[in-house]
Amino acid sequence: KQEVTQIPAALSVPEGENLVLNCSFTDSAIYNLQWFRQDPGKGLTSLLLIQSSQREQTSGRLNASLDKSSGRSTLYIAASQPGDSATYLCAGGGFQKLVFGTGTRLLVSP
Amino acid sequence: GAVVSQHPSRVICKSGTSVKIECRSLDFQATTMFWYRQFPKQSLMLMATSNEGSKATYEQGVEKDKFLINHASLTLSTLTVTSAHPEDSSFYICSAPRLNQDTNEKLFFGSGTQLSVL
Repeated sequence: KQEVTQIPAALSVPEGENLVLNCSFTDSAIYNLQWFRQDPGKGLTSLLLIQSSQREQTSGRLNASLDKSSGRSTLYIAASQPGDSATYLCAGGGFQKLVFGTGTRLLVSP
Repeated sequence: GAVVSQHPSRVICKSGTSVKIECRSLDFQATTMFWYRQFPKQSLMLMATSNEGSKATYEQGVEKDKFLINHASLTLSTLTVTSAHPEDSSFYICSAPRLNQDTNEKLFFGSGTQLSVL
């Protein structure tokens, strides 16, 4: 059974810092891994999707990596902004069925 | 813009009543949709997989008679919480897979429904 863990659970940084969010999963037979952003009381916005054959994906200031052998994924956010404040979820697993981590609550202060 | 529409965004109901939540895929067809539940400060947990034209498949521990799922068309799935009780208060969210331009399948999520049962 796939289990997904995210560290840290919460993170507070000043604006402009580069930061890394960590995600680990127990089953390396992963179809894909996605990173999402969730704002309070709202749905999810997909940020990046990494297929099992890929090692990383980039979108703007975001870069996500996937290392299946170690069961880890990282989300790198460059030059953080207050608008980046949200909960970041990683999710991985089999085809279509995703198992979510508990998230990292990020607060970027001006 | 949103590719999956979910309504209502928030509902408050009395204990014992039933609540219906709709999930629509916009501009694409979805033979499968997924329903998740999220309790405060916990992660999303898959409740069930909605299959167009056939019965939904439920995850272990989810009562199928309490959480009725109907996927009557290729763009609409509904989740009905029957005889709701305070412990059913939660954030419910749906998702639908869609092929992107690179023919990779990606899950798109609705905006979620916050259910509060008094």
